[in-house]
Amino acid sequence: DAMVIQNPRYQVTQFGKPVTLSCSQTLNHNVMYWYQQKSSQAPKLLFHYYDKDFNNEADTPDNFQSRRPNTSFCFLDIRSPGLGDAAMYLCATSRDSSYEQYFGPGTRLTVT
Amino acid sequence: DAKTTQPPSMDCAEGRAANLPCNHSTISGNEYVYWYRQIHSQGPQYIIHGLKNNETNEMASLIITEDRKSSTLILPHATLRDTAVYYCIGHMDTGRRALTFGSGTRLQVQP
Repeated sequence: DAMVIQNPRYQVTQFGKPVTLSCSQTLNHNVMYWYQQKSSQAPKLLFHYYDKDFNNEADTPDNFQSRRPNTSFCFLDIRSPGLGDAAMYLCATSRDSSYEQYFGPGTRLTVT
Repeated sequence: DAKTTQPPSMDCAEGRAANLPCNHSTISGNEYVYWYRQIHSQGPQYIIHGLKNNETNEMASLIITEDRKSSTLILPHATLRDTAVYYCIGHMDTGRRALTFGSGTRLQVQP
């Protein structure tokens, strides 16, 4: 029944060591989103894909990249994680940008 | 997206109705009011959305004032599982735009 799946649920990486978080969906939605949520804060949009069209938020650091090889999968790459990048990373999908978003359970990233 | 203002926290007794207010005085005519909630350690969950008319679904009711400057989310019979952070979001339903989450209301349902 899982609709938006994120792996792994918990990820520990070292300072400066590249890390990739993955998201997959069984909903066949054309829009996929990546949010960053730091402790006790609201989710903050990093970027989203509308089909293959990549939309970056203006204040998303260059350190964050994303790939969407097909409809079902989307990846978040953090090229050189810093201590400030420790957060919950949430993936979401929607049928269109005007419809409700379905969120995955998130990946909690720890940077040591 | 319109700026929204919500109380930071609220308490509600189990079994009673929870009424969560939201102010969105700058909302434009084509922006919908969306509500999401986030239970601890989970991703946000869509609850309901509306434009002008009141809306009801299996989870909640949404009451929007006639001038659309504020709204109230109603959970008719709150349970302990409704303890969560509730986000009110003004969102334009056209174009390729994503949601902007505000700080939300932390609802604590008390036994």
